[in-house]
Amino acid sequence: KAGVTQTPRYLIKTRGQQVTLSCSPISGHRSVSWYQQTPGQGLQFLFEYFSETQRNKGNFPGRFSGRQFSNSRSEMNVSTLELGDSALYLCASSLAGTGGAGYTFGSGTRLTVV
Amino acid sequence: LAKTTQPISMDSYEGQEVNITCSHNNIATNDYITWYQQFPSQGPRFIIQGYKTKVTNEVASLFIPADRKSSTLSLPRVSLSDTAVYYCLVVANNAGNMLTFGGGTRLMVKP
Repeated sequence: KAGVTQTPRYLIKTRGQQVTLSCSPISGHRSVSWYQQTPGQGLQFLFEYFSETQRNKGNFPGRFSGRQFSNSRSEMNVSTLELGDSALYLCASSLAGTGGAGYTFGSGTRLTVV
Repeated sequence: LAKTTQPISMDSYEGQEVNITCSHNNIATNDYITWYQQFPSQGPRFIIQGYKTKVTNEVASLFIPADRKSSTLSLPRVSLSDTAVYYCLVVANNAGNMLTFGGGTRLMVKP
């Protein structure tokens, strides 16, 4: 079966701009969660969506937002980009988003803010 | 949330067995112990999960003592391709759960 697809793979943006990242989960998976990975902070949870509803949110400013569509595809948006937003953004899909197993991660979108 | 502590890095040689121990002193009753593997520029990949005693799959074994305050991931006969970062997570079996990653253990397998 196809894995989790994230687009684009690489992105360069300027400070102050906004960006939208996309995640297509594995077919049948209804939970999509987003993570930010940086060398300094490691992997940090952003938010999780299930059936178009945000169920959980990490400790990130309101500039970070997301949504999920009826086909379970998800997007995350970062507005007013800062240099510190440069990171690898990963999404993970699972059937129900419970427990620790069964999460499949995409290869991520590498965002560079200049 | 139970915090995990694991070695920052480990070195091994091809063909050896590697054991990575993780401490999770504050683990709760409904928490599971889960391990993920991550290669550079890729997302983490699920390896194994357990609740207590021993779990084995085609990739690894997970040993969990009775008090569940620690766990050991065992990789039999590692190869160069096992060079990666290994994360130990403690995850509650709740809906909408998030995975809390620590710093992980950077395993370097040498020829």
